Amino acid sequence: GAVVSQHPSWVICKSGTSVKIECRSLDFQATTMFWYRQFPKQSLMLMATSNEGSKATYEQGVEKDKFLINHASLTLSTLTVTSAHPEDSSFYICSARRKDSSYEQYFGPGTRLTVT
Amino acid sequence: AQSVTQLGSHVSVSEGALVLLRCNYSSSVPPYLFWYVQYPNQGLQLLLKYTSAATLVKGINGFEAEFKKSETSFHLTKPSAHMSDAAEYFCAVSSNQAGTALIFGKGTTLSVSS
Repeated sequence: GAVVSQHPSWVICKSGTSVKIECRSLDFQATTMFWYRQFPKQSLMLMATSNEGSKATYEQGVEKDKFLINHASLTLSTLTVTSAHPEDSSFYICSARRKDSSYEQYFGPGTRLTVT
Repeated sequence: AQSVTQLGSHVSVSEGALVLLRCNYSSSVPPYLFWYVQYPNQGLQLLLKYTSAATLVKGINGFEAEFKKSETSFHLTKPSAHMSDAAEYFCAVSSNQAGTALIFGKGTTLSVSS
């Protein structure tokens, strides 16, 4: 149990376009989902926390108008990178917290975004 | 506030040798501590976690970690390294407050030579 999927696993887009990344909890309800960004050979940096049915909370320095997060249901959160630029190229990882757990997160396999 | 420090960005061992990856934490509340492993181009996989039960925690793939409050440490060990253990390892800390995200260390790359 506790499987989190991400789609797509890899996406290439042109500069100026928008890309949507989906994060799904497959076999549990997730009241909270987190979005992380990871640069090559670096640690995960938290971008935002999203709770089902409410607006996401963004970390300092993360542009909320550029990285749109929607958490419409207990099993789905989406991250949309708007007007993508090459510097947005990165590995984006989501995680989900079970409804019945206060501390443990389950991670998706990540989405590699390349902006050309 | 919470933070994690992983000592050594790169650790190299020979196959069969002891693996020791260091992690120190800072937390104003009782911490929940985690070790994750990441293989190239993959997401994070949980190795083990400390949740205030036993201080010696056993995880998958023969790894274990010991929570030492006096030293604020949660070092990861494995008695005998395998080639397949080569990966990136992350230590992370969280509080038990609902909605709190994980705080990650910078990671340690483990290389295993034959």
